[in-house]
Amino acid sequence: QTVVTQETSLSVSPGGTVTLTCGLRSGSVSTSHYPSWYQLTPGQAPRTLIYSTNTRSSGVPDRFSGSILGNKAALTITGAQADDESDYYCVLYMGSGIRVFGGGTRLTVL
Amino acid sequence: EVHLVEFGGVVVQPGGFLRLSCAASGFTFGDYSMYWVRQIPGKGLEWVCVINRDGRITYYVDSVKGRFTISRDNTKNSLFLQMNSLRTEDTAMYYCARGSSGSVTSPEYWGQGTLVTVSS
Repeated sequence: QTVVTQETSLSVSPGGTVTLTCGLRSGSVSTSHYPSWYQLTPGQAPRTLIYSTNTRSSGVPDRFSGSILGNKAALTITGAQADDESDYYCVLYMGSGIRVFGGGTRLTVL
Repeated sequence: EVHLVEFGGVVVQPGGFLRLSCAASGFTFGDYSMYWVRQIPGKGLEWVCVINRDGRITYYVDSVKGRFTISRDNTKNSLFLQMNSLRTEDTAMYYCARGSSGSVTSPEYWGQGTLVTVSS
């Protein structure tokens, strides 16, 4: 049972815009969940893109942005590039010190 | 530059124990919460535990409660994970991560990971 939900896979054209979402099986995501986003490439350590809903981590280009869209957290990638093809994970703060990662979204750039 | 290096991953039998270490540099260690996050081979990320700045407050995912203990030594810029009663499902790459800034943190800076394999 996946408490934190993400799209299994998405695709985007080079130069295009894509939005990945992070939801809850039950309830809405808000800024109180402090959503964060990570890029995971095989053989490499995770790379933090966004934390606390919309704060970019050091060195992350501004074509990556975070927000709340409706009842979900969102990661929007504008001007997609070939090396954005990767797996993306969100994590939510669930209260009482507990964090839960989503199942990840595989993004294809084609 | 933030630098995190994990140590201690090996092959261990089910029921065994292991202690992971993480050496930190490039920041004031005692100013940040610290995390352990794992990735099962071919699978996604799982938050394991977190420890606050002074080491007095810890939280764990249910599957490791009572078996794993996170601790830190701020005088030595080091983070630890004591893993007891290991199970095959604990097999994973274990990452040490520094928390972000703010009142509620998330993992922000990551080490390269250390592989723990639980197998007979």
